[in-house]
Amino acid sequence: DSGVTQTPKHLITATGQRVTLRCSPRSGDLSVYWYQQSLDQGLQFLIQYYNGEERAKGNILERFSAQQFPDLHSELNLSSLELGDSALYFCASSTDRDRSPLHFGNGTRLTVT
Amino acid sequence: ILNVEQSPQSLHVQEGDSTNFTCSFPSSNFYALHWYRWETAKSPEALFVMTLNGDEKKKGRISATLNTKEGYSYLYIKGSQPEDSATYLCAFRSNFGNEKLTFGTGTRLTIIP
Repeated sequence: DSGVTQTPKHLITATGQRVTLRCSPRSGDLSVYWYQQSLDQGLQFLIQYYNGEERAKGNILERFSAQQFPDLHSELNLSSLELGDSALYFCASSTDRDRSPLHFGNGTRLTVT
Repeated sequence: ILNVEQSPQSLHVQEGDSTNFTCSFPSSNFYALHWYRWETAKSPEALFVMTLNGDEKKKGRISATLNTKEGYSYLYIKGSQPEDSATYLCAFRSNFGNEKLTFGTGTRLTIIP
């Protein structure tokens, strides 16, 4: 158990809808990362927060947004969903933004129909 | 765009044999190199975080080396066991600009009993 909690585990929704994925980092970790894994693709970096502030941005679509709250949990909002957004979304946390390893949650499997 | 490449893409190894695979990354602006093991139906788990040229890390039968000047890292597994079957991911962090952690697509290792 990594200590990182992601909810929900599975999500099935229709195109055009909006969903929110939630992540609670490991106790004491200030950094939260979001990654997307689509079929046959590696882990694609979306966005990173450190202690409530955005630190790095990857290939995150404009339809997607995220935030990290004062209690350090994070939410990833996906709107105007398309079939191609179907993927496994991972959250990971670390103690800081430097050389600490990432601890991954179990992921949220999003299926857009 | 940072290129992090892993080879081979997949590998089948007889139980008891030793094996190794490669992670290639940009040789400039190096900050850190991570290795993760990702078992099927689980989330990635950190193996090593390497930061210095010439670094060697070891965890049981698994070890890794780092050459930041030429931009590669090797992961070695000695005396492979069935439980070593997994995808092994490396991830690179640069000290320039965007601080994102960029993952390679992984080497999928299958141990044949």
